Amino acid sequence: KAGVTQTPRYLIKTRGQQVTLSCSPISGHRSVSWYQQTPGQGLQFLFEYFSETQRNKGNFPGRFSGRQFSNSRSEMNVSTLELGDSALYLCASGTGTSGIDEQFFGPGTRLTVL
Amino acid sequence: GNSVTQMEGPVTLSEEAFLTINCTYTATGYPSLFWYVQYPGEGLQLLLKATKADDKGSNKGFEATYRKETTSFHLEKGSVQVSDSAVYFCALSDRNFNKFYFGSGTKLNVKP
Repeated sequence: KAGVTQTPRYLIKTRGQQVTLSCSPISGHRSVSWYQQTPGQGLQFLFEYFSETQRNKGNFPGRFSGRQFSNSRSEMNVSTLELGDSALYLCASGTGTSGIDEQFFGPGTRLTVL
Repeated sequence: GNSVTQMEGPVTLSEEAFLTINCTYTATGYPSLFWYVQYPGEGLQLLLKATKADDKGSNKGFEATYRKETTSFHLEKGSVQVSDSAVYFCALSDRNFNKFYFGSGTKLNVKP
């Protein structure tokens, strides 16, 4: 079974631009979560989707948004990029059928904002 | 609310030494508990898990026991190897909030 895939793996943007990151979950998984990882803040939860519905979100500004498609693939968008948005963005998938349980992580997208 | 606290690193050990990484949690309900490992430049990999009190998770020589009375889930390994050098994250899942809570991570360095 293929694992969680994320594209692109690396991204360089400038302040003010916007970016879209993509995540394909493990086949059969309907829950997708997104996390931001930085050296200073550690792993921070962004949001979780299940069957195209956002079930929970973390404490991030509205510039961070996401969506999930009917095939469970998910995208995350960050608008008006700031230097502080430079981070590793991790996507994780799970069955999600009884709330959120065991999660399987992708390799991440390394975003650098200049 | 829910939270996870784990010991700060880095932890530096010699090969074949005994490892303990402490993790304690607070939870409003009955969470599942996890240990994840992250190698440089990679995402997180599930190392082991426990879904109820007194369960013991184990994998690759690592073990952790879900202790409800002390709200702890300490990670142990009897003999570490250089290849175990990584960052270890303790986490809990709360089905009521559809959310994972991660500790801050503990970096382990194993020297030959």
